[in-house]
Amino acid sequence: EVQMLESGGGLVQPGGSLRVSCAASGFIFSSTAMSWVRQAPGKGLEWVSSISGGGFNTYYADSVKGRFTISRDNSKNTVDLQMNNLRAEDTAIYYCVKRWSYLDYWGQGTLVTVSS
Amino acid sequence: EIVLTQSPGTLSLSPGERATLSCRASQSISSTYLAWYQQKPGQAPRLLIYGASSRATGIPDRFSGSGSGTDFTLTISRLEPEDFAVYYCQQYGSSPPYSFGQGTKLESK
Repeated sequence: EVQMLESGGGLVQPGGSLRVSCAASGFIFSSTAMSWVRQAPGKGLEWVSSISGGGFNTYYADSVKGRFTISRDNSKNTVDLQMNNLRAEDTAIYYCVKRWSYLDYWGQGTLVTVSS
Repeated sequence: EIVLTQSPGTLSLSPGERATLSCRASQSISSTYLAWYQQKPGQAPRLLIYGASSRATGIPDRFSGSGSGTDFTLTISRLEPEDFAVYYCQQYGSSPPYSFGQGTKLESK
């Protein structure tokens, strides 16, 4: 069974940093691209970042470029999103998602709240 | 960046009726690169359709997708009570960035 389990969300002050992680299982992780998608409270979906299976290719939305870094550890089947210089508008549920292109399996998400 | 516009914003129908949801792109996209998702309150989105018309694993055949160019449609042939949710379209190319529509809320009349 394909599963993604996110962790690391919480409350952080504007300008602060936070790292969210995703533990994946049930598929061949090292050959599968992974993505992060976020959803602000009561709003729609926003693609944030993706990383190729080998980790050599990374992509970012303009809204987070230069502040967020996606990485993966294929020995542990994990993918992380390091978020720096956080802003109030980064407040959202962050979903770990299998694949880029169409997104076929989603975790339950972890809530990141940026507030003083 | 390709902008996706979904209509209507809210659709009120009764169980057993047919639902037609629209997704229009700001520029032509390959039909290979259009997906639809369903999201229920408090849950993560679920992939319904990819490649504009291919159903994802386990999706009932009352869900169908169609379209090409800039106009795409998700049709639910006969609404079941569990189909009332928010639906999003998404465009994807061979590599990111990707974009989502703003969503259509399908509510029970």
